[in-house]
Amino acid sequence: AQKVTQAQTEISVVEKEDVTLDCVYETRDTTYYLFWYKQPPSGELVFLIRRNSFDEQNEISGRYSWNFQKSTSSFNFTITASQVVDSAVYFCALSEGDSGAGSYQLTFGKGTKLSVIP
Amino acid sequence: AAGVIQSPRHLIKEKRETATLKCYPIPRHDTVYWYQQGPGQDPQFLISFYEKMQSDKGSIPDRFSAQQFSDYHSELNMSSLELGDSALYFCASSSTSGSGDTQYFGPGTRLTVL
Repeated sequence: AQKVTQAQTEISVVEKEDVTLDCVYETRDTTYYLFWYKQPPSGELVFLIRRNSFDEQNEISGRYSWNFQKSTSSFNFTITASQVVDSAVYFCALSEGDSGAGSYQLTFGKGTKLSVIP
Repeated sequence: AAGVIQSPRHLIKEKRETATLKCYPIPRHDTVYWYQQGPGQDPQFLISFYEKMQSDKGSIPDRFSAQQFSDYHSELNMSSLELGDSALYFCASSSTSGSGDTQYFGPGTRLTVL
């Protein structure tokens, strides 16, 4: 069965600090997909990034960067120069395999609540 | 860009009542997923539809049913509501690519059962 672990329940940083959110996953499938979503206090879930299991290339988007390492089953997320607007709960999620359209249900981690203090 | 629309945004019901939540996917998206997020919890998958057919089923109670209509909108019907059904219900839509679905979530419907 698939599982996603976000060991950090809550993190507080001072504005402009860098912060890394950890995500470790478990799956028996060789084909899988990893995601990060942001849930601000307003409650919506905002898609940030997707990574396919066969693509270990890391990615940078502005102040955000992601480090995908299959060897350690990790997909970590770093925010550089954090801002107050980054305060939110961040979820790492996993979907598996090639079971067909509509079968890519997401398994979420418990989330990491990030508080950026001015 | 158009996003997923969910209605209503807030709903208050009494125990044993019935509720219907609606989801309008992003235009040209053919797949809909429903999730339930309890207070302080991560979202849990309930059910999904592709091209109006049920694709997959998660931890959805028998009291709940759902369908996807010809215009691709979906409805989640919840009967005999219980206090424990109070949660944020998300709908997500995707355009099937054959290699995983990137799901875009609606703003959610916050259901409170009194």
